[in-house]
Amino acid sequence: GAVVSQHPSWVICKSGTSVKIECRSLDFQATTMFWYRQFPKQSLMLMATSNEGSKATYEQGVEKDKFLINHASLTLSTLTVTSAHPEDSSFYICSANSGVDYNEQFFGPGTRLTVL
Amino acid sequence: GQNIDQPTEMTATEGAIVQINCTYQTSGFNGLFWYQQHAGEAPTFLSYNVLDGLEEKGRFSSFLSRSKGYSYLLLKELQMKDSASYLCAVMDSNYQLIWGAGTKLIIKP
Repeated sequence: GAVVSQHPSWVICKSGTSVKIECRSLDFQATTMFWYRQFPKQSLMLMATSNEGSKATYEQGVEKDKFLINHASLTLSTLTVTSAHPEDSSFYICSANSGVDYNEQFFGPGTRLTVL
Repeated sequence: GQNIDQPTEMTATEGAIVQINCTYQTSGFNGLFWYQQHAGEAPTFLSYNVLDGLEEKGRFSSFLSRSKGYSYLLLKELQMKDSASYLCAVMDSNYQLIWGAGTKLIIKP
């Protein structure tokens, strides 16, 4: 099956620093990648949708200057949380689809971010 | 607006059967997904329904009625490892997934 990896799995950083999270599709080319955030005991919240080579589409309420998304290739997307604050602490999950098979989204394992 | 409703929490006994319901109102419909999510982990795909009827896959089955905006996930022969959250998601006319809040399933011995 299709595999999506994320790196790092968890990260702790100081308030005010920036953190980059990588999302890779390992055995398929992802036409679209999605970034989600999930707070404890809540459902997934879509942050943005990115297509290779174009600017990401952000959901309402998500600051594009704070959450920088780069989709440099068909197998790699990055999310950079700039000037992180404690309220940005969350579980960040990426997913990717190949555009075939009813657009099933394949999820990465997630990144747990803790901002001190 | 778009809305997905599913129960917040359910409890069932090991070896039994449980049905988790999901109702939806979305702008367009391109299929309904069920995902399983264990605490601290990413969701894993369980099933996809786009036509009315029942899809069976081992101990798990998923049903869809498009006219009623309704789906259910049926889990048979429950095992302790089935304790998890079950997420219902609908793909709308823009091929975007609209997520329910998830149903936490607690399995008791």
